[in-house]
Amino acid sequence: DIQMTQSPSTLSASVGDRVTITCRASQSINRWLAWYQQKPGKAPKLLIYEASRLESGVPSRFSGSGSGTEFTLTISSLQPDDFAAYYCQQYNNHSPYTFGQGTKLEIK
Amino acid sequence: EVQLVESGGGLVQPGGSLRLSCAASGFIFSKHWMSWVRQVPGKGLEWVANIREDGNEEYYLDSVRGRFTISRDNAKNSLYLQMNSLRAEDRAVYYCARDRAYNYGLSDYWGQGTLVTVSS
Repeated sequence: DIQMTQSPSTLSASVGDRVTITCRASQSINRWLAWYQQKPGKAPKLLIYEASRLESGVPSRFSGSGSGTEFTLTISSLQPDDFAAYYCQQYNNHSPYTFGQGTKLEIK
Repeated sequence: EVQLVESGGGLVQPGGSLRLSCAASGFIFSKHWMSWVRQVPGKGLEWVANIREDGNEEYYLDSVRGRFTISRDNAKNSLYLQMNSLRAEDRAVYYCARDRAYNYGLSDYWGQGTLVTVSS
């Protein structure tokens, strides 16, 4: 199984900050990586797919990059609505489609 | 508007069974792989199973293979998860999710989830 290691597990930041979350795969997944945002009590929301493609309706302050085993999610200027949990997920092969352990983005 | 509505969760004893359902609307159900993903409250996400558009191909997380069965009824726009021999570690919120066309494993719409509690 492909392991996904996400860091940091918790990130404290302020409105307007630029933040980056990293996700590392235990083997190459090409660009088959997605990022999700999840708020308490809600279902995950797809933000980024194929490592860098922005899902329709997602603000352009979100961006993704990387390929192979190293990936990043960047939020260019944090807004109050962005404080949430973020998960990476690989979908390179049929199963299992593993998630990172998550990053909780908190208000500093 | 894409909608996924799960039902069937609840309290069950260890070793018991439960069948989850997911009613889909707002898209052509028969053209999408569908997935179940679970989450222990306060913890991370874990993919459980998915099923091909026609129902003839399925994949499972190792820890549920042989105990859980994913199925679908395209005539009813419905997805199911039959869970047998339930264990305490199966306690979680179970989400039904649509996989994007031509991108199985990439879940682009999710239901609100149904809670399964396994306890005596």
